[in-house]
Amino acid sequence: DVVLTQTPLSSPVTLGQPASLSCRSSQSLEHSDGNTYLSWLQQRPGQPPRLLIYKSSTRVSGVPDRFNGSGAGTDFTLKISRVEADDVGIYYCMQATQFPRTFGQGTKVEI
Amino acid sequence: QVQLVQSGAEVKKPGASVKVSCKTSGYRFTGHHIHWVRQAPGEGLEWMGWINPNNGGTTLAQKFQGRVTMTSDTSISTAYMELKGLTSDDMAFYYCASGILLTGAGVFDSWGQGTLVTVSS
Repeated sequence: DVVLTQTPLSSPVTLGQPASLSCRSSQSLEHSDGNTYLSWLQQRPGQPPRLLIYKSSTRVSGVPDRFNGSGAGTDFTLKISRVEADDVGIYYCMQATQFPRTFGQGTKVEI
Repeated sequence: QVQLVQSGAEVKKPGASVKVSCKTSGYRFTGHHIHWVRQAPGEGLEWMGWINPNNGGTTLAQKFQGRVTMTSDTSISTAYMELKGLTSDDMAFYYCASGILLTGAGVFDSWGQGTLVTVSS
């Protein structure tokens, strides 16, 4: 199975400051069809996960533009340009390039 | 709008089975796989498998083969996940999820609210 390793596990942030979350894959996530099926999800306390970014860098409609995904191959990053109080939660990366789908262990963003 | 509404919390004894439902609305039920993902309290997310409501075909993560059965009822646009032989390790929130709005993108853009399964003697 593809192992996704997220760092840091916990990210204390200051409101208004940037945050950078990393997701490293044990195998390349470039699919034979040319797409990279790496997505980022946000889970606020007590809620199901919410999709933010898909195919490494495409933001879901309605997601604030302070969230930006980047990366290719095995190294991916989610950047929050200016953290707001509403951004507190756990962020997961997920891959759907290889079977089975796997998730990273999550990065907790806290103020 | 797209909605996935799951059944309520369950408390089961070790060795018992649990069946969780996921009632969908707002889209064509047979057009999208329904996946099941679980999350132990305070832990990360674990993909369990999917069902194709169009033909009832399922694909399960190896870990759950033999213990999990996924079914669907197209007449009421509802998917089910049954887990047998419960142990304390199965205590978790169980979510149904699907890529409905972003078909083919390998994502879960729609989620149920989660069903907490507690295993206790």
